[in-house]
Amino acid sequence: DGGITQSPKYLFRKEGQNVTLSCEQNLNHDAMYWYRQDPGQGLRLIYYSQIVNDFQKGDIAEGYSVSREKKESFPLTVTSAQKNPTAFYLCASSSDRAFSGNTIYFGEGSWLTVV
Amino acid sequence: EDKVVQSPLSLVVHEGDTVTLNCSYEVTNFRSLLWYKQEKKAPTFLFMLTSSGIEKKSGRLSSILDKKELFSILNITATQTGDSAVYLCAVSAYQLIWGAGTKLIIKP
Repeated sequence: DGGITQSPKYLFRKEGQNVTLSCEQNLNHDAMYWYRQDPGQGLRLIYYSQIVNDFQKGDIAEGYSVSREKKESFPLTVTSAQKNPTAFYLCASSSDRAFSGNTIYFGEGSWLTVV
Repeated sequence: EDKVVQSPLSLVVHEGDTVTLNCSYEVTNFRSLLWYKQEKKAPTFLFMLTSSGIEKKSGRLSSILDKKELFSILNITATQTGDSAVYLCAVSAYQLIWGAGTKLIIKP
């Protein structure tokens, strides 16, 4: 089945550690995105990528890093510089250019808890 | 500053009731407005609206956009407990701008 796979679904991290969230899509979509969702808030854009080997910062990129070495993959690293990383992280993708108005599709999300 | 505001923030109704969720926006370079349903994890796509006044329907759900007054509504008729979810509205412009969502609880 075509879709977006995120892993792990649940992750605990100690303060000071980096952690990488995986996102893989087999929809042949060009654009991929990472969002953060906190309770009672809308989705906030961390990073997005429109093409392999290129990505752009979103509204809350500080403390995060990404790579786009393959079209199918867009991993997100939450670094120790991120002050408040406990949140629900959603990966998404869309055909055509980013934010072109096309529907975006989401993965199941990853819950990250810093202990 | 671009913004999308959803109302109400939460709503509790009984099964069988009809609900109307609101999404207003102030966004430059509007391209489309999207509605998503989020139950526990991944938001799932409901509707994409680009033209004013054209209702989109899917079963008991329907939505319409008013580009003059800058809002959209999502209607759910004959609600069921399975409709309980957070409903998210987003406007596509230079990027996707998301509302905070409306948490809908349907009581049996």
